[in-house]
Amino acid sequence: DTGVSQNPRHKITKRGQNVTFRCDPISEHNRLYWYRQTLGQGPEFLTYFQNEAQLEKSRLLSDRFSAERPKGSFSTLEIQRTEQGDSAMYLCASSPSLRDTGELFFGEGSRLTVL
Amino acid sequence: GQNIDQPTEMTATEGAIVQINCTYQTSGFNGLFWYQQHAGEAPTFLSYNVLDGLEEKGRFSSFLSRSKGYSYLLLKELQMKDSASYLCAGVDSNYQLIWGAGTKLIIKP
Repeated sequence: DTGVSQNPRHKITKRGQNVTFRCDPISEHNRLYWYRQTLGQGPEFLTYFQNEAQLEKSRLLSDRFSAERPKGSFSTLEIQRTEQGDSAMYLCASSPSLRDTGELFFGEGSRLTVL
Repeated sequence: GQNIDQPTEMTATEGAIVQINCTYQTSGFNGLFWYQQHAGEAPTFLSYNVLDGLEEKGRFSSFLSRSKGYSYLLLKELQMKDSASYLCAGVDSNYQLIWGAGTKLIIKP
């Protein structure tokens, strides 16, 4: 399978714990996005990378959130000191370049439940 | 500000036609996407319009009017498997996607 892969698919944690999600994009894609989605809402932009460079980060993202893409391939999203409001689906998407193909390829998502 | 508006929910009958509307306001405009999302799954690409007019792709068609800031997704010969949320997303001047909240489409037999 050469699609976007995310893990873990589900994570249940207690409030205050740290969690990390991993995303493996389609190999030749140089753009990688992280979104958060709650029930009945569209995806909410968190951050994106062009290769290993983090080009934009949402103002809504608190300093408890950090994302990396160290070698321009896979990416991790870490949430520190989780809060119940962090419960959501965290979606990763990749694209070759939005200007070229006009399409994002999404992973299956990582669902976080904070108790 | 930037905003995408689409109806929250629509209901249609199997075999019929349904049109889902979307109006957008973005800072700059570099096209508009429609994505389909089944419950509990990731969004999947349906269409991308950057020029005015209608683009047809099988049972699904997407229309764009840049002067009106308006798009619609037309679904023909509805099938039960078309029950899903349909997300409209505009592309702003920085090539960032601005997402609507999605339209939940319910198909009845």
